[in-house]
Amino acid sequence: DAGVTQSPTHLIKTRGQQVTLRCSPKSGHDTVSWYQQALGQGPQFIFQYYEEEERQRGNFPDRFSGHQFPNYSSELNVNALLLGDSALYLCASSLGLAAGSSYNEQFFGPGTRLTVL
Amino acid sequence: AQKITQTQPGMFVQEKEAVTLDCTYDTSDQSYGLFWYKQPSSGEMIFLIYQGSYDEQNATEGRYSLNFQKARKSANLVISASQLGDSAMYFCAMRALVTGTASKLTFGTGTRLQVTL
Repeated sequence: DAGVTQSPTHLIKTRGQQVTLRCSPKSGHDTVSWYQQALGQGPQFIFQYYEEEERQRGNFPDRFSGHQFPNYSSELNVNALLLGDSALYLCASSLGLAAGSSYNEQFFGPGTRLTVL
Repeated sequence: AQKITQTQPGMFVQEKEAVTLDCTYDTSDQSYGLFWYKQPSSGEMIFLIYQGSYDEQNATEGRYSLNFQKARKSANLVISASQLGDSAMYFCAMRALVTGTASKLTFGTGTRLQVTL
């Protein structure tokens, strides 16, 4: 049973560039959440996708956008990169709208480490 | 709004001893879940234990137990019989419980645990 996978593992970009990060959810999961984890901090919620729509969004600018595909995989796009966007980007999957369940554990992927120079 | 506070940046424990990692929280949600995750140097967030706000008994998962004191808004993690492999960052997190949805997780700043011989 494949867990959450993310690509690429590492990425180096320069200021002003654009980047796309990818995530495949755990088998059977249909909800994908993205988190940004700066060095020495806890993860911060960016947004969550379910049924190919953004369902929740954290306090991140419009430079951060995403997409979910019919196979439930997801992309995170960041435009006009800033030095402060350097972080570990974590993807988490879960089974959203599971009838009768109020406990939807989120499984995390290994992350993509983005460095902006 | 939700807030998680972890006041111990770092902790040391000897192998085979027990250790308690502190977590306090604040929320206006009536129903919520509390989580602990382990993050080794590889970066992946590993789920350890969950406690629902309406659960009457403290959660236990193997060597992990959660000391939940609702009136004090605390959810401390207790690791018994520490092992060298327990050395990692530990994050306390919470989310509102809305039946059938996976809402965002709010994380604390983490505690770095070092297990020594």
